[in-house]
Amino acid sequence: RKEVEQDPGPFNVPEGATVAFNCTYSNSASQSFFWYRQDCRKEPKLLMSVYSSGNEDGRFTAQLNRASQYISLLIRDSKLSDSATYLCVVNMGGSARQLTFGSGTQLTVLP
Amino acid sequence: DAGVIQSPRHEVTEMGQEVTLRCKPISGHNSLFWYRQTMMRGLELLIYFNNNVPIDDSGMPEDRFSAKMPNASFSTLKIQPSEPRDSAVYFCASSLSGELFFGEGSRLTVL
Repeated sequence: RKEVEQDPGPFNVPEGATVAFNCTYSNSASQSFFWYRQDCRKEPKLLMSVYSSGNEDGRFTAQLNRASQYISLLIRDSKLSDSATYLCVVNMGGSARQLTFGSGTQLTVLP
Repeated sequence: DAGVIQSPRHEVTEMGQEVTLRCKPISGHNSLFWYRQTMMRGLELLIYFNNNVPIDDSGMPEDRFSAKMPNASFSTLKIQPSEPRDSAVYFCASSLSGELFFGEGSRLTVL
């Protein structure tokens, strides 16, 4: 079993739709969680951290379920510019070297 | 502000040749990472430096790969001899307090 698993997609949604991605992780001792965004042929960039209480940043909402060991990302009112690959990232320890990246979920927002 | 700078952006070489990839981390960051990204395996950590010292090189695939960080502002990843299966995008990332900042990557093709 992979340490971090994501549905690879692709997810093709119309502009304005709401879309959700899930990610599961295998190590129950994992300490912190993130979503990174990677545009086609570009580098990954931090989208948002995921906190136990859930957190929101504009149209983006991230949630963590420690009991079931999954995190989610919800995008509301999707825009064409949201088209990208979304990488789930789990930190098994306390430093950046222990980050494990999922393989990514590809999203295409259609006009 | 300058981000992580990598060179070359693209390299095409023949099997058996030596390849050297270069990275300049963000000034003041004390951690540097080399990652490799392929469609099949996603983003994999190759090696991690902290304060210029290699801490974890367990991700380096084999002895053909070597990495150095002679000072806080420069690192190299060398592949000698290169093989077609080394074709990938190689990312350098730096960090100070957990968030990873990636360079734009070096796309390597070994023929």
